[in-house]
Amino acid sequence: AQSVTQPDIHITVSEGASLELRCNYSYGATPYLFWYVQSPGQGLQLLLKYFSGDTLVQGIKGFEAEFKRSQSSFNLRKPSVHWSDAAEYFCAVELYNKLIFGAGTRLAVHP
Amino acid sequence: KAGVTQTPRYLIKTRGQQVTLSCSPISGHRSVSWYQQTPGQGLQFLFEYFSETQRNKGNFPGRFSGRQFSNSRSEMNVSTLELGDSALYLCASSLEWGTAYEQYFGPGTRLTVT
Repeated sequence: AQSVTQPDIHITVSEGASLELRCNYSYGATPYLFWYVQSPGQGLQLLLKYFSGDTLVQGIKGFEAEFKRSQSSFNLRKPSVHWSDAAEYFCAVELYNKLIFGAGTRLAVHP
Repeated sequence: KAGVTQTPRYLIKTRGQQVTLSCSPISGHRSVSWYQQTPGQGLQFLFEYFSETQRNKGNFPGRFSGRQFSNSRSEMNVSTLELGDSALYLCASSLEWGTAYEQYFGPGTRLTVT
């Protein structure tokens, strides 16, 4: 079945530490790929997206993601996490003109 | 340019009632999509409207319906509310039909069914 998987439900990191959030998808072709962030009580904010071309994509707030076709992955990274990055992060693919989301990863940041 | 606005932001309803949520897209955007977010099912696509016509539909019962007006504003309606309808309902707009890859999301309407 077509799906988007985020294996980590919760992740806790220390402020200043590096971060990697995992995302895998199962679709035949390379879909359009997205990472969104949601702060408590808020809507979704687009961090970055991948359509084609360079497999390393830069986004807002210092985030980047790397598309790996061989692993069907699109992992989100940040070299140094700030306390304000605490939020829930969603990986998504665009399929038949709608977004299919993963279950989300909740990030906690220790001071 | 103002973002996507949704009203009301919070709503409490009783089981069996019906509810209408409103979404105003970004100026110039003509496509509006709705998503439901629950702790159990996550984020799920409800439907998309473009040019006052439903163009795409997710796997939800007929109690969930929507419409779009000539100014691109959209409403969604849920009839005969069930406890499981408690959710954050997110609206997203994009320029044209077929541009889900360029959607912008509103802050959502938090619906609580008691």
